[in-house]
Amino acid sequence: DTEVTQTPKHLVMGMTNKKSLKCEQHMGHRAMYWYKQKAKKPPELMFVYSYEKLSINESVPSRFSPECPNSSLLNLHLHALQPEDSALYLCASSHGQGGRQPQHFGDGTRLSIL
Amino acid sequence: AQSVTQPDIHITVSEGASLELRCNYSYGATPYLFWYVQSPGQGLQLLLKYFSGDTLVQGIKGFEAEFKRSQSSFNLRKPSVHWSDAAEYFCAVGSRLNTDKLIFGTGTRLQVFP
Repeated sequence: DTEVTQTPKHLVMGMTNKKSLKCEQHMGHRAMYWYKQKAKKPPELMFVYSYEKLSINESVPSRFSPECPNSSLLNLHLHALQPEDSALYLCASSHGQGGRQPQHFGDGTRLSIL
Repeated sequence: AQSVTQPDIHITVSEGASLELRCNYSYGATPYLFWYVQSPGQGLQLLLKYFSGDTLVQGIKGFEAEFKRSQSSFNLRKPSVHWSDAAEYFCAVGSRLNTDKLIFGTGTRLQVFP
């Protein structure tokens, strides 16, 4: 079992819908990450939160909106997505100590855009 | 530019055979090095990591990896493969300066025949 929990596991939405992906960890980690992974590809970093502040935004379209309500929770709000946004969305967390601590990944949310 | 190369897209081995997955990196300094494994429909699980010190590192599930600075390599090995090892394997490097960004290789898909 993973220590990073993501919900829902699967999500199907239309291009006009608004939905949110949720991620939770209780390891005391202070850095949390969103990745996008297309089939047969490595994960691509989207956002990083460090101590609940957005520290990295990899030029992600504004239809993806991250939120970190507290040190244990990370959300990704979705609005007006495109079919090409269909992918596995992975959340990860780490102690954030200068990159020395590895990232721990959740099992992801598989998103399908109709 | 920083990069990670996994030359083998797909490897097939028989159960019980030895395994070596290759990883080469291009980096200005010694990076942090990681191997992750991803089973179908799952997130990424950390197998092992190298930060400094002993260049032969042991990981979970009987895996080990050797850091060779002269070859800029961090190859993953296992002496006897089990059918449950069939998965996608990603090598990744992390910067000692830019703390939160991992650079992933393109992955190697391992298939195991009985």
